[in-house]
Amino acid sequence: SQTIHQWPATLVQPVGSPLSLECTVEGTSNPNLYWYRQAAGRGLQLLFYSVGIGQISSEVPQNLSASRPQDRQFILSSKKLLLSDSGFYLCAWSSGPRTGEAFFGQGTRLTVV
Amino acid sequence: KNQVEQSPQSLIILEGKNCTLQCNYTVSPFSNLRWYKQDTGRGPVSLTIMTFSENTKSNGRYTATLDADTKQSSLHITASQLSDSASYICVVRGNTGTASKLTFGTGTRLQVTL
Repeated sequence: SQTIHQWPATLVQPVGSPLSLECTVEGTSNPNLYWYRQAAGRGLQLLFYSVGIGQISSEVPQNLSASRPQDRQFILSSKKLLLSDSGFYLCAWSSGPRTGEAFFGQGTRLTVV
Repeated sequence: KNQVEQSPQSLIILEGKNCTLQCNYTVSPFSNLRWYKQDTGRGPVSLTIMTFSENTKSNGRYTATLDADTKQSSLHITASQLSDSASYICVVRGNTGTASKLTFGTGTRLQVTL
């Protein structure tokens, strides 16, 4: 069966520090991968999606970047965190662009102080 | 602009009661609509999917409806339980022919009390 792992679960980082969140998927190949952010009291906002290794599309201009060094690995990064980067970050995968259900990781609660 | 709006924003009901959550969308062309349940601090989990040709679909105590003409969907929860307390998110997938970008509603926060 397919599983998705996301870590860490919680993170407190000072302003200006770097960030690296990792997401890996098991049990499937060539998944579509997504990074979402959920601010407090807000809906999920798509940040990045990837249809293959090295292929990253950004949905909104921001202080974050994403990379896909391997087929089932998706990394969310920042060189210098801002207070506004605080939020709940979710990684997800789907099996296809149109009909596949999105399966979510457990999320990372990031607090920038 | 593709949008998904949900109402109410929050809802408190007594255990055992029924409730209905609403979702209106403007996503076009339309592929499918899913209702997700998100427990606090966890990732969303799919409850049901509705495609263009489907009007009603049930999953246990959850029943979703879809009116593709008016672009409205509802999620009805019957005989609510304390474990139903969560956020319910309506997610619409467009049919663009490219790597699809899901459009998420902001969710309805449901609290079931004794």
